[in-house]
Amino acid sequence: EVQLVESGGGLVQPGRSLKLSCAASGFTFSNYYMAWVRQAPTKGLEWVASITNSGGSTYYRDSVKGRFTISRDNAKSTLYLQMDSLRSEDTATYYCTREDYPGITLDYWGQGVMVTVSS
Amino acid sequence: DIQVTQSPSSLLASLGERVTITCQTSQSISNNLNWYQQKPGQAPMLLIYYATSLQTGMPSRFSGQYSGRSFTLTITSLEPEDIANYFCLQHYSAPWTFGGGTKLELK
Repeated sequence: EVQLVESGGGLVQPGRSLKLSCAASGFTFSNYYMAWVRQAPTKGLEWVASITNSGGSTYYRDSVKGRFTISRDNAKSTLYLQMDSLRSEDTATYYCTREDYPGITLDYWGQGVMVTVSS
Repeated sequence: DIQVTQSPSSLLASLGERVTITCQTSQSISNNLNWYQQKPGQAPMLLIYYATSLQTGMPSRFSGQYSGRSFTLTITSLEPEDIANYFCLQHYSAPWTFGGGTKLELK
């Protein structure tokens, strides 16, 4: 059974940093692209970042480029999202997703972790 | 970016009723659209992929259709466990973009 379990969320002040983790199990992690998707309170979902299976290439939405870094450790089957220079508009639930690319794309999701950016 | 307009944003329906939710894309995406179900406090679950294919393990009362830029998710006969939020995702062109979601509630 595919499982994705996020951790690392919480309350952080604007301008500070936070690092999310996603522990994956139930599949061969190194075979899949992975992604982060977020949903701000009362807003829709938006894709944040993706990483290839090897970690060699990464992709970001414009609003987080230069501030967020997606990475992975295939030996630990873990995905990360380093979030720097956080802004209030980054407040959201962040979901770790498996990206079956090219293919179905976002086929499995974690339950999400809340990040609140506030002073 | 491809815009995805989902309707309705909320829906009241009775058990046994046929329910339809629609996503309209701003440009052609072929069949590169998925539907998801999300219950409160749970991870989103893939229902339909490539617009019409039912994900393994999902009930056959769920189905997807499309014509041009218009995509529909249909529940043929609403069951209590179908009460949830539903959203669509286009994965034809990066960045992937989502519909705004539909909150399905019991009448």
